[in-house]
Amino acid sequence: EPEVTQTPSHQVTQMGQEVILHCVPISNHLYFYWYRQILGQKVEFLVSFYNNEISEKSEIFDDQFSVERPDGSNFTLKIRSTKLEDSAMYFCASSQDGAQETQYFGPGTRLLVL
Amino acid sequence: GQNIDQPTEMTATEGAIVQINCTYQTSGFNGLFWYQQHAGEAPTFLSYNVLDGLEEKGRFSSFLSRSKGYSYLLLKELQMKDSASYLCAVRSPPSGGSYIPTFGRGTSLIVHP
Repeated sequence: EPEVTQTPSHQVTQMGQEVILHCVPISNHLYFYWYRQILGQKVEFLVSFYNNEISEKSEIFDDQFSVERPDGSNFTLKIRSTKLEDSAMYFCASSQDGAQETQYFGPGTRLLVL
Repeated sequence: GQNIDQPTEMTATEGAIVQINCTYQTSGFNGLFWYQQHAGEAPTFLSYNVLDGLEEKGRFSSFLSRSKGYSYLLLKELQMKDSASYLCAVRSPPSGGSYIPTFGRGTSLIVHP
């Protein structure tokens, strides 16, 4: 069964450093998403991406965040200058259709900012 | 704004039935999802309701009442592996084209022998 993959599974970084989280969505899916979940808290939407541009973003997704689809398979989340409060699990998800289809989540990248 | 409420924790006995409730107040509605999330893992899709009524899928069923802003997830014949967090998520209509789910805090279900 096709699945969303994410790398790395864990990332430790120093405050102020840039990190790039990688995702490979399911191949025939057209809509891509990033969510984060701070330990013990709820899943929060960050951004959605369709047709090579951002279609929705939350207030969490400020100027330090960016997303890119550099080729036909990868979907990346960049955090330019990490802060301690960026420590969280970051989930990538994809769906075939933005309207009625469910979103399939990847296994997540656990980011720890020291 | 969006507000989704679920109980924080529930316990049940193996083999029993448990009902996890979710109430929501959202600006617009375009479907309600239930996800299962084991500790340290990604959410996995369980069910989707957009019309009122009951959707049954094996041991799991989900009910929706849009007029009451209410849903429940019913788990039958509980197994130990059902111990997990159950997330209610409500999807809002698009502004930019995507449908965005807002998640509740999740209900931690503990199944004991």
